[in-house]
Amino acid sequence: GQNIDQPTEMTATEGAIVQINCTYQTSGFNGLFWYQQHAGEAPTFLSYNVLDGLEEKGRFSSFLSRSKGYSYLLLKELQMKDSASYLCAVLDSNYQLIWGAGTKLIIKP
Amino acid sequence: IAGITQAPTSQILAAGRRMTLRCTQDMRHNAMYWYRQDLGLGLRLIHYSNTAGTTGKGEVPDGYSVSRANTDDFPLTLASAVPSQTSVYFCASSQGTGGTGELFFGEGSRLTVL
Repeated sequence: GQNIDQPTEMTATEGAIVQINCTYQTSGFNGLFWYQQHAGEAPTFLSYNVLDGLEEKGRFSSFLSRSKGYSYLLLKELQMKDSASYLCAVLDSNYQLIWGAGTKLIIKP
Repeated sequence: IAGITQAPTSQILAAGRRMTLRCTQDMRHNAMYWYRQDLGLGLRLIHYSNTAGTTGKGEVPDGYSVSRANTDDFPLTLASAVPSQTSVYFCASSQGTGGTGELFFGEGSRLTVL
């Protein structure tokens, strides 16, 4: 079966750095997405990786290793507004998006 | 209207009743999707449409139907609601098909079936 694994919950301190990991086992791979979802709101797009390596976008970076079936989202200079769930999703060989259950990130002052 | 609009925002429904969740987008996107989100689970695709006039089944289509009469509208119908359909439903769209593009989500419809 297809599977996306993310930690259920993480806690970090304002101003710090946090890394949210995502491992996947899917039938084929056509890219990996990260979305942010604040409580009670819609998911919003953060990043898309299809090649190995690090993609940086402001305070957020996303890394992909296809050979390891692994990605991480790195958030720097954490702000209280970064408290949200972070969803990892993989596009499989049939171009179907497989979603992880999400990681709830709690930021403490 | 800007982006994707869903209605209703929230609804409590008796089991056995028929319910239609509405979804309208003004971005002229080709592809539209309906997902359900349940605690502890990832988003699950119910139905999708790659272009007006065509629809397809996702991972969990049973008990749901959709139509795509035009580019902008993509309603989701529960013919006879059951308690297991209690969930938050998200409509989404993307410019391209094939899943490679960014998804734009509506604000969600919280449905409770009693």
